[in-house]
Amino acid sequence: DTAVSQTPKYLVTQMGNDKSIKCEQNLGHDTMYWYKQDSKKFLKIMFSYNNKELIINETVPNRFSPKSPDKAHLNLHINSLELGDSAVYFCASSQDGVGRTQYFGPGTRLTVL
Amino acid sequence: GEDVEQSLFLSVREGDSSVINCTYTDSSSTYLYWYKQEPGAGLQLLTYIFSNMDMKQDQRLTVLLNKKDKHLSLRIADTQTGDSAIYFCAPNRKLIWGLGTSLAVNP
Repeated sequence: DTAVSQTPKYLVTQMGNDKSIKCEQNLGHDTMYWYKQDSKKFLKIMFSYNNKELIINETVPNRFSPKSPDKAHLNLHINSLELGDSAVYFCASSQDGVGRTQYFGPGTRLTVL
Repeated sequence: GEDVEQSLFLSVREGDSSVINCTYTDSSSTYLYWYKQEPGAGLQLLTYIFSNMDMKQDQRLTVLLNKKDKHLSLRIADTQTGDSAIYFCAPNRKLIWGLGTSLAVNP
């Protein structure tokens, strides 16, 4: 059974569009994260939620909005997509807050044309 | 600001040992992790060390921690082609990640 799943795996879209990426974890974890990995493989934290509450919100354009409907889900909505948003987006989860072992999803490769 | 630095690339021959080094600035982490990312996949936990330890051995993996110098290393004994991946050091209370070290294992 998949522990952390993301959909879609690939997303190709035009500049200016709005898109969402969904993430679900079945590990019973209380903390979830969104990361962006660029073409140089640099991994940067974007957001973190603990028990549906936003606890980390790094310097990210406000076109990016996370939504956590429940502890097991953390979705990422992106408005007005730009070329620079092209990257691989990873969802992750951990138990007992930030700083513990994280379990990563397979990633969503977003390509903005 | 907080930072993690690793060499970008390492190339070894199959059967040799690999040593991947990491320096960091955040000294508040209780756990320091090594994650492995295979091509096209997410990161997976490889091993970790508690901040009050200076060495941990786990089968082919040896982690060394020098807290004074803020230096973490990962040694992989008898490196195999399946070990080819990107390795991320993560002293991770502040969720700072570097660029990782891309390990290439040549037959």
